[in-house]
Amino acid sequence: GAVVSQHPSWVICKSGTSVKIECRSLDFQATTMFWYRQFPKQSLMLMATSNEGSKATYEQGVEKDKFLINHASLTLSTLTVTSAHPEDSSFYICSAPGGSNTGELFFGEGSRLTVL
Amino acid sequence: AQSVTQLGSHVSVSEGALVLLRCNYSSSVPPYLFWYVQYPNQGLQLLLKYTSAATLVKGINGFEAEFKKSETSFHLTKPSAHMSDAAEYFCAVSDRRTGRRALTFGSGTRLQVQP
Repeated sequence: GAVVSQHPSWVICKSGTSVKIECRSLDFQATTMFWYRQFPKQSLMLMATSNEGSKATYEQGVEKDKFLINHASLTLSTLTVTSAHPEDSSFYICSAPGGSNTGELFFGEGSRLTVL
Repeated sequence: AQSVTQLGSHVSVSEGALVLLRCNYSSSVPPYLFWYVQYPNQGLQLLLKYTSAATLVKGINGFEAEFKKSETSFHLTKPSAHMSDAAEYFCAVSDRRTGRRALTFGSGTRLQVQP
């Protein structure tokens, strides 16, 4: 199946700094990617849809200026958490649709962000 | 909007016992349905999917699920649990009506397998 890779897997940063997480589709092209956030022992919540060549679409309640998304190419989407605070600590997972029309998504390994 | 409900946040079974994880969907149009598994600090791996081709779907690692329209259910089963099955399981739905490709996830069920 299709492979999606995220980097970094773990990141610890100081409050007030910015952190960038990369999501790559390794063996296929993705014009759309999805960013999810997962709190401990909870489900995945869709944050935004990343669109290659255009602006991201954010879900209600997600701060656009806090979570900057860029879809620079057909294989790369980035999520930048700006001016991070401890409440931004979470597990962030990206995903991309495969080539079929059946709606399945392929997920990256996830990135755990800890803001001190 | 499409949604799925997973009954039971925790399920514990003995090794070798039947595994049954419940998922019900809400939709006027039969959606695409998925079961994913997540191991600690990892992403999600697709176990199986329902795309209307067959109501009984077989997936990886011996799991299967049956789509029952009359019950709006898509429960996940495995005849004999293995220790390695201990993980978090998520049911998810794709909205065929709108064509929205992002999946909506259930709240998850943590499966524990006792030796």
